[in-house]
Amino acid sequence: GAVVSQHPSWVICKSGTSVKIECRSLDFQATTMFWYRQFPKQSLMLMATSNEGSKATYEQGVEKDKFLINHASLTLSTLTVTSAHPEDSSFYICSARAPGLAAHEQYFGPGTRLTVT
Amino acid sequence: LAKTTQPISMDSYEGQEVNITCSHNNIATNDYITWYQQFPSQGPRFIIQGYKTKVTNEVASLFIPADRKSSTLSLPRVSLSDTAVYYCLVGGSNTGKLIFGQGTTLQVKP
Repeated sequence: GAVVSQHPSWVICKSGTSVKIECRSLDFQATTMFWYRQFPKQSLMLMATSNEGSKATYEQGVEKDKFLINHASLTLSTLTVTSAHPEDSSFYICSARAPGLAAHEQYFGPGTRLTVT
Repeated sequence: LAKTTQPISMDSYEGQEVNITCSHNNIATNDYITWYQQFPSQGPRFIIQGYKTKVTNEVASLFIPADRKSSTLSLPRVSLSDTAVYYCLVGGSNTGKLIFGQGTTLQVKP
């Protein structure tokens, strides 16, 4: 089956620094990737949609200048949390959709736990 | 995107069949229904998807009535390892966007 990886699996950073999270589709080319955030005991919240070669589309309330998304290739999308603060501590999950599949068929990565101190 | 409503939590015992029902009254004609399973600190895992009637795979069955305003995920003979959060999602057929509801926390007891 299709595999999506994320790196790192967990990261701790100091307040004010930036952190980059990678999302890779290992055995298929993903024209579209999605980024979610999940706080403890809560559901996943869609942050943005990332299309290869174009600018990401952010959901309402998500600061595009704070959460920089780059989808430079068909197998890699990155999420950079800039000037991180403790309230950005969360579980970040990406998903990827392969061309040719129905839009609702997505494969999720294992998630990245971000802790900002 | 259609909103979904599920029970917040359910309890069951090992070996029992579990049915989780999801309401999606505003489902669009071209929307699919997809169920995911999530364990703590892991990404969601695809369980099953369907459009109408009944779909069955090696882990679950999905029942969808003719009006498609609800769906029922059926897990046969659950085990302790099925303890997880189960999400019902509707949509994604056009934009690919999946909007997660609150999900159902299933607790399987020995």
